[in-house]
Amino acid sequence: GESVGLHLPTLSVQEGDNSIINCAYSNSASDYFIWYKQESGKGPQFIIDIRSNMDKRQGQRVTVLLNKTVKHLSLQIAATQPGDSAVYFCAETLMDTGRRALTFGSGTRLQVQP
Amino acid sequence: DAGVTQSPTHLIKTRGQQVTLRCSPKSGHDTVSWYQQALGQGPQFIFQYYEEEERQRGNFPDRFSGHQFPNYSSELNVNALLLGDSALYLCASSSPLAGGSSYNEQFFGPGTRLTVL
Repeated sequence: GESVGLHLPTLSVQEGDNSIINCAYSNSASDYFIWYKQESGKGPQFIIDIRSNMDKRQGQRVTVLLNKTVKHLSLQIAATQPGDSAVYFCAETLMDTGRRALTFGSGTRLQVQP
Repeated sequence: DAGVTQSPTHLIKTRGQQVTLRCSPKSGHDTVSWYQQALGQGPQFIFQYYEEEERQRGNFPDRFSGHQFPNYSSELNVNALLLGDSALYLCASSSPLAGGSSYNEQFFGPGTRLTVL
């Protein structure tokens, strides 16, 4: 498949380690945030979301942290696996109408070394 | 249940030509959004359709236009193609009434890779 990002910042980790991917968002009014995973040749895939009234949310092997004071999101992946290798994007939006557009960050490439 | 489908997968055009990309939303979804993803960047919102009308638009020129059909499928048209229009074009469908794990969750298709020579 095609690479989705040849010049993205890259995080390289060993299989089994924990990964932390960071994102700065732009709009202080945004109240809903999503992390997407994009594998080569595919569209973005939903991983986990968080609303602005929370500062932490956990899923299966993933945790999202939200710091509204500094407009910062992070995605933590526990026990990183080779299948986690992909480009990760954060996205922000407003929940008011349920139909708002997403604003994406610039992305981080995660490479998992076996 | 088929997810979001897009056609064609790849397309090569020359400058000045026109192109039409197609999207079928996930079953039960009535809203279609289009995004442009240049190489090495995150997707950028182009516009959104529901009830067969353009409801929101990002910062894209009028050369980018679209349509939504009664069956909720959608087309993206780009006129007078420029080299800078080369990108992956993503379609996402959603519906606040369709349920799912998250509010406003948008499901993305695999994209159409457009190359302008």
